[in-house]
Amino acid sequence: QSALTQPASVSGAPGQSITISCAGTSRNIGGYNYISWYQQHPGKAPKLIIFDVNKRPSGVSSRFSGSKSGNTASLTISGLQTEDEADYYCCSYATTTFVAFGGGTKLTVL
Amino acid sequence: QVQLQESGPGLVKPSQTLSLTCTLSGGSIRSGSYYWSWIRQPAGKGLEWIGRIYTSGNTNYNPSLKSRVTISIDTSRNQFSLRLTSVTAADTAVYYCARGVFRSFAELSHFDSWGRGTLVTVSS
Repeated sequence: QSALTQPASVSGAPGQSITISCAGTSRNIGGYNYISWYQQHPGKAPKLIIFDVNKRPSGVSSRFSGSKSGNTASLTISGLQTEDEADYYCCSYATTTFVAFGGGTKLTVL
Repeated sequence: QVQLQESGPGLVKPSQTLSLTCTLSGGSIRSGSYYWSWIRQPAGKGLEWIGRIYTSGNTNYNPSLKSRVTISIDTSRNQFSLRLTSVTAADTAVYYCARGVFRSFAELSHFDSWGRGTLVTVSS
C-alpha cells in the first residue's frame, strides 16, 4: 500500500485538461514543498516532469503544472495530447521514511 | 548529460542475494549535490524506494526493507551497488537506479536522472 494516494485512472479527450490528485499527510506532502511528479510510458523509465511542487525541468512542456494545498498535491495537464497517455506518479520527501511514492495514475486520452 | 546504467543477474534463486550495480557516465558520482538511489517496480505496480547513498558512504533505507538491504558506493569506478538478501518472489521487479537532488537538510527534492531499469526475477 502506497504512502500517497492517487486515483487509479483518469481520462480526457484531446485538448481538454485533467487533474491528478495525490493525497498524503503532514508527514510528507503537508510538511514539505518537495513534491515531484513523474511520467512513465510502458516499458520506459519514469521521467521527471514537475519538482518542488510547481517547477518544470528544462524541456518539459508548459502544459504540465503542479500545485499543493494542505496535504494534497495536484498535477494538471492542459491541452491533452495523445502522447500524454501514460502512468503518472507523485513523490514526496517524508519524515522517517525519507521518500514516499503514490500508487500511480493511468491517464487515458480518449 | 548524465546517464545511469544498471547491470547484474536477471535471475536469482529464492533465499539468495540479489546484487546490482549502477554505473554513472557523463558526470562524477563524487558530486556533493546528489544522493544515489535504488527504486524498484513490480510488474503492473507502482514505484518503491529502496534506499540511497551519499558520496561519503552515508546511507538511508526504506524501513520495510532495511533489514535486508545494503547500498555501497565505489567512487573510483563511478558506481554504486545494491545487495538485497533472502529474496523471495515478492522481490521480482524492475530495478532502477536514480540520481536524487537534495536540499539543505538532506531532504530529497526529486529524482532527475534514471537508468533504463533491469528486470530481476526471483525463481528457482
